[in-house]
Amino acid sequence: QKEVEQNSGPLSVPEGAIASLNCTYSDRVSQSFFWYRQYSGKSPELIMSIYSNGDKEDGRFTAQLNKASQYVSLLIRDSQPSDSATYLCAVRGSYIPTFGRGTSLIVHP
Amino acid sequence: DAGITQSPRHKVTETGTPVTLRCHQTENHRYMYWYRQDPGHGLRLIHYSYGVKDTDKGEVSDGYSVSRSKTEDFLLTLESATSSQTSVYFCAITPSPEGPGEQYFGPGTRLTVT
Repeated sequence: QKEVEQNSGPLSVPEGAIASLNCTYSDRVSQSFFWYRQYSGKSPELIMSIYSNGDKEDGRFTAQLNKASQYVSLLIRDSQPSDSATYLCAVRGSYIPTFGRGTSLIVHP
Repeated sequence: DAGITQSPRHKVTETGTPVTLRCHQTENHRYMYWYRQDPGHGLRLIHYSYGVKDTDKGEVSDGYSVSRSKTEDFLLTLESATSSQTSVYFCAITPSPEGPGEQYFGPGTRLTVT
């Protein structure tokens, strides 16, 4: 059984701070890793993807991957109230990704 | 916007009635997926398709069937709806199944079974 674990939160951070979201996975052959953002009542939206160990930056978002530790994280710099959402981690080894249950992020002014 | 629409967007139905949800895409992607999302469970795969008439089961397929007679349409049918099938249903596509495999989701259908 492939598992993807996320802390459900909520994670509460002040505006302007760095939000750190974490995800661990069980399938060692996983090749692709994704972060989705989901606002309440909306569908998941892809915000980051990462495929090799290290960091990948895109604007205020940085994804970090450590395959040896089976760990992927998402950092959001200069957090804004508009970043308040649930963040889903997804891990793909074959054609079917496995999703975590998501971490709720609250950015308060 | 990955050109994915779902219909209906909201539906209320009674226990025991059949229900069909439609997912339509405009970009001829081969892989399409149906998920359900429930509090505490996250996204769970119901069925997926890898081409016209080619489908396979996901982790929560009991009580559901699918059909894909055209590339652009993927239908999900609840043969006899039960209250446990009250959920939000999302359709997704993958533009690069042989590559990274990122997914793009439709807007969702909120189904209530009374």
